[in-house]
Amino acid sequence: EIVLTQSPDFQSVTPKEKVTITCRASQSIGSSLHWYQQKPDQSPKLLIKFASQSFSGVPSRFSGSRSGTDFTLTINGLEAEDAATYYCLQSISLPRTFGQGTKLEIK
Amino acid sequence: EVQLEQTGAEVKEPGATVKISCRFSGSTFIDYYIHWVQQAPGKGLEWLGLVDPEHGEAVYAERFQGRVTMTADTSGDTAYMELRSLTSEDTAVYFCAAELITETTGWLDPWGQGALVIVSS
Repeated sequence: EIVLTQSPDFQSVTPKEKVTITCRASQSIGSSLHWYQQKPDQSPKLLIKFASQSFSGVPSRFSGSRSGTDFTLTINGLEAEDAATYYCLQSISLPRTFGQGTKLEIK
Repeated sequence: EVQLEQTGAEVKEPGATVKISCRFSGSTFIDYYIHWVQQAPGKGLEWLGLVDPEHGEAVYAERFQGRVTMTADTSGDTAYMELRSLTSEDTAVYFCAAELITETTGWLDPWGQGALVIVSS
């Protein structure tokens, strides 16, 4: 089973800041890594697919990148509405696995 | 546009069985896998398994193997997830999510709104 480890678990940030969230895979997964945003009492929403491809309708301030087995979600110019928990998901193999989540709090 | 609509909240006693439905619309049902994801209160997302509606085959997470059954009804474009021998640890929101079956996909989108299952005596 592929383990995804996100860091940090929690981050408190101010609007307009640049935020980076990392997801490290326990083995090679190519670019089969996707990022989700989940707000309280909502279902997860896809932000980035295959490490760096923006999903339709997602604001341009969200971007993703990959370096080996390390994946990064970047939010450039954080907005208040970005307060949420962010998860990564790998799709290279079964069982599918998620990172433990990173909660973003807006100061 | 693909949409997934799930059944409402359920309250079950310990030891009971729950069966949740996920109605698919907006595209061809058999072109998608339907995944199920558990989210316990205040916790993260955990993958339970998936069902292939065209072939009726399912793959389950090891932790739920033997206690879960995922099926799909192609006549009604609906997927089901049955979880047996419920305990309080199964209290959670259960999401269904769709994955287009191609060699270049893998992400889960869209997701259903979630179905809350409360296990309590």
